[in-house]
Amino acid sequence: QVQLQESGPGLVKPSETLSLTCTVSGGSISSHYWSWIRQPPGKGLEWIGWIYYTGTTAYNPSFQSRVTISVDTSNNRFSLMVTSVTAADTAVYYCARYGPDGYKHLDYWGQGTLVTVSS
Amino acid sequence: QSALTQPRSVSGSPGQSVTISCTGTSSDVGHNNYVSWYQQHPGKAPKLMVYDVSKRPSGVPDRFSGSKSGNTASLTISGLQAEDGADYYCYSPATIYTAYVFGTGTEVTVL
Repeated sequence: QVQLQESGPGLVKPSETLSLTCTVSGGSISSHYWSWIRQPPGKGLEWIGWIYYTGTTAYNPSFQSRVTISVDTSNNRFSLMVTSVTAADTAVYYCARYGPDGYKHLDYWGQGTLVTVSS
Repeated sequence: QSALTQPRSVSGSPGQSVTISCTGTSSDVGHNNYVSWYQQHPGKAPKLMVYDVSKRPSGVPDRFSGSKSGNTASLTISGLQAEDGADYYCYSPATIYTAYVFGTGTEVTVL
């Protein structure tokens, strides 16, 4: 059974960089596409981007180059960086796996981690 | 990329059916057959309920069904049960498959 676990600071100061890692267990990261999604408190889901184990990425244009997703195949994990954060970046951040047929639907999700942007 | 439009809430009594719509454009929902639906209970991660418009993952009850017509996809829950009360989100790739968009979300209330 594939499991995903997000980790990283729960509090980030405005204008600084948010960094999260998603560790994958029960399966290889080198066989699927992987994604980050976020959900501000009381609001809906927002797709951030995806990465393939080769390093190929795609991002939500609304983040205007503030986002970088990277992969570490040696440790079966992938990461998210969001620069110049503001209070609007406060959200629960989820990592997820795309299904076996490419980047169409998300079949496994982490439990999510709350990141608060505040001084 | 604008969010797909869903009704804010729908409700039904146990045993009834409810349908949630997900309206996009010819650049997303209308352009592909890969719309998926997710159920989210409060404080929990989303769970995949339907993918490729109408397919169900193993373990999802067959009372959940999906369909699509033009730029609008739909999720129908038949024989509504108390545990179906949750938020539901649709999700679709956009034209070039490197951008994705979620729906605005629908709260399903079981009366």
